[in-house]
Amino acid sequence: DARVTQTPRDKVTEMGQEVTMRCQPILGHNTVFWYRQTMMQGLELLAYFRNRAPLDDSGMPKDRFSAEMPDATLATLKIQPSEPRDSAVYFCASGSTSGGSETQYFGPGTRLLVL
Amino acid sequence: DAKTTQPTSMDCAEGRAANLPCNHSTISGNEYVYWYRQIHSQGPQYIIHGLKNNETNEMASLIITEDRKSSTLILPHATLRDTAVYYCIVRVASGGSNYKLTFGKGTLLTVNP
Repeated sequence: DARVTQTPRDKVTEMGQEVTMRCQPILGHNTVFWYRQTMMQGLELLAYFRNRAPLDDSGMPKDRFSAEMPDATLATLKIQPSEPRDSAVYFCASGSTSGGSETQYFGPGTRLLVL
Repeated sequence: DAKTTQPTSMDCAEGRAANLPCNHSTISGNEYVYWYRQIHSQGPQYIIHGLKNNETNEMASLIITEDRKSSTLILPHATLRDTAVYYCIVRVASGGSNYKLTFGKGTLLTVNP
């Protein structure tokens, strides 16, 4: 049963520290998404990759957030420096554009608390 | 993407069918109806999607009206583990700039013993 994996599952850090979240997409999927979920805003798209190339990161605060895909099996989301307002659950999802219909499959999320 | 309207919450008795409605009156001809759910503290889970024909898989059935302006997700025999927020999302299947899943507030389905 192929699944998206995310690490760490929980992260507590202090304001100003760097946070790196990792995602392993489902093998063979060529799209990767980063979403953030808060009580106030719900689920928001932060970044989108297709074939490892970033196509949209308009949802990310550019000055502190960065997203990369070093290879097809790893996507990273980095926050530097972190702020209390970044506290949220961050979800990675992967999908495949083959077959004319794309379905996104989500990982379990990384719960981030910035103190 | 077309907007969707869902009830805020619904209750269902365990073992009974849960019928979750969704209105999408401004849906375009090339837009699909997707359903996801989110169980507490978990990531959203894909359930089913369809264009105009009714669809069924191991999780649920999707009934889309002939004019495509509304749909119903059916969980045939709801269990306590089906308690979750259910999201109805309308979007183009793939390609171009229509890759986003825009999540609304969804319907909180509570399955009662």
